[in-house]
Amino acid sequence: QKEVEQNSGPLSVPEGAIASLNCTYSDRGSQSFFWYRQYSGKSPELIMFIYSNGDKEDGRFTAQLNKASQYVSLLIRDSQPSDSATYLCAVNPPGGFKTIFGAGTRLFVKA
Amino acid sequence: EAQVTQNPRYLITVTGKKLTVTCSQNMNHEYMSWYRQDPGLGLRQIYYSMNVEVTDKGDVPEGYKVSRKEKRNFPLILESPSPNQTSLYFCASSLSDAAYEQYFGPGTRLTVT
Repeated sequence: QKEVEQNSGPLSVPEGAIASLNCTYSDRGSQSFFWYRQYSGKSPELIMFIYSNGDKEDGRFTAQLNKASQYVSLLIRDSQPSDSATYLCAVNPPGGFKTIFGAGTRLFVKA
Repeated sequence: EAQVTQNPRYLITVTGKKLTVTCSQNMNHEYMSWYRQDPGLGLRQIYYSMNVEVTDKGDVPEGYKVSRKEKRNFPLILESPSPNQTSLYFCASSLSDAAYEQYFGPGTRLTVT
């Protein structure tokens, strides 16, 4: 079992719809959770981070964390073609110094 | 401008020829890390450094070396590159450890023939 798993996609949604991206992790003691966006040929950039169970909202983005079920999700409301990218889920296992990334989910937003 | 820089951005080399990829950050970050990115495998951590002179292995350290003699620099060394090290490499830095946002460099595309 991979330590951080994501559906590779591609996930295709129409413009204006809600895109839902999911991630599961294996280390129950993980503390910090991140969503990075990576455009083709570019480096990853942070969109959201979440440390506590529940929802965290920032503009059109909402991160959801459920530690009991060991999953973290990212919702993108009012999806735009500019949101088309690969979304990487990252988990910080206990200890604080390693980062485990999922393989990423490719999102296409159709105009 | 706050940034992480890497050099070179592109490199084609031959098996066995030692090379160094440099990484520098101007944000006074304590934590720095190297990743490689391969299709279908995502980002995998090679080495990280918590502070000057303190480094540790990530998940895929075989065939790589690092050093952290200065806070701002964290070079990645391939003593004897092999074709399976052909990849896209990213350097990243963070304020204090991996529990904080990591800022990534632009990437170095390495091809080993």
